[in-house]
Amino acid sequence: QSALTQPASVSGSPGQSITISCTGTSSDIGGYNYVSWYQQHPGKAPKLMIYEVSYRPSGVSNRFSGSKSGNTASLSISGLQAEDEADYYCTSHTSSNFYVFGPGTKVTVL
Amino acid sequence: QVLLVQSGSELKKPGASVKVSCKASGYTFTTYAMNWVRQAPGQGLEWMGWINTNTGNPTYAQGFTDRFVFSLDTSVGTAYLQISSLKAEDTALYYCAREYSSAWGYWGQGTLVTVSS
Repeated sequence: QSALTQPASVSGSPGQSITISCTGTSSDIGGYNYVSWYQQHPGKAPKLMIYEVSYRPSGVSNRFSGSKSGNTASLSISGLQAEDEADYYCTSHTSSNFYVFGPGTKVTVL
Repeated sequence: QVLLVQSGSELKKPGASVKVSCKASGYTFTTYAMNWVRQAPGQGLEWMGWINTNTGNPTYAQGFTDRFVFSLDTSVGTAYLQISSLKAEDTALYYCAREYSSAWGYWGQGTLVTVSS
């Protein structure tokens, strides 16, 4: 059982914007700015999309953005495209000096 | 460019051991920590822990302190994950992932370990 919670699924039509939430506690998300987000297509390795709450690695589309408020982090995808259909995982550093993943959110492009 | 290449799929019987390798290239191996992540069939990602590639000191997440060992061969830029006394529930994809600003920016392709009698 994950210490972080995410919605099981989120969907949107092409061109729309969606937001995926990731809720933790003051011992993880709320206590550190070490929240990252990963995209995983079926049969592929995860890909880093956002690190340290809101930074994008080079090569990641600026349609992806991250934020945090209190114990909840969010990943937003604007201008939704078919290729964005994938599973998305959040992760956070914890007070135990470990990392924890959220259970994942399946994004469907309608 | 940074590349992490993992060893191939393994089929093992319960009680056996397996050693998965992760060969790094394109950067100085001892500069960045290496993490290990597990993904059971149809399930989410699970952080197993990490190894300091400079000191060789491993850190194991809860649930991975018993039969799991991280090791290195810095002479060939390779990290290893060894699992002993394999159980059916160890059947999973195992990924190595290199540190990138407190995240994991580079991933191996994954190694499928199947435990079955």
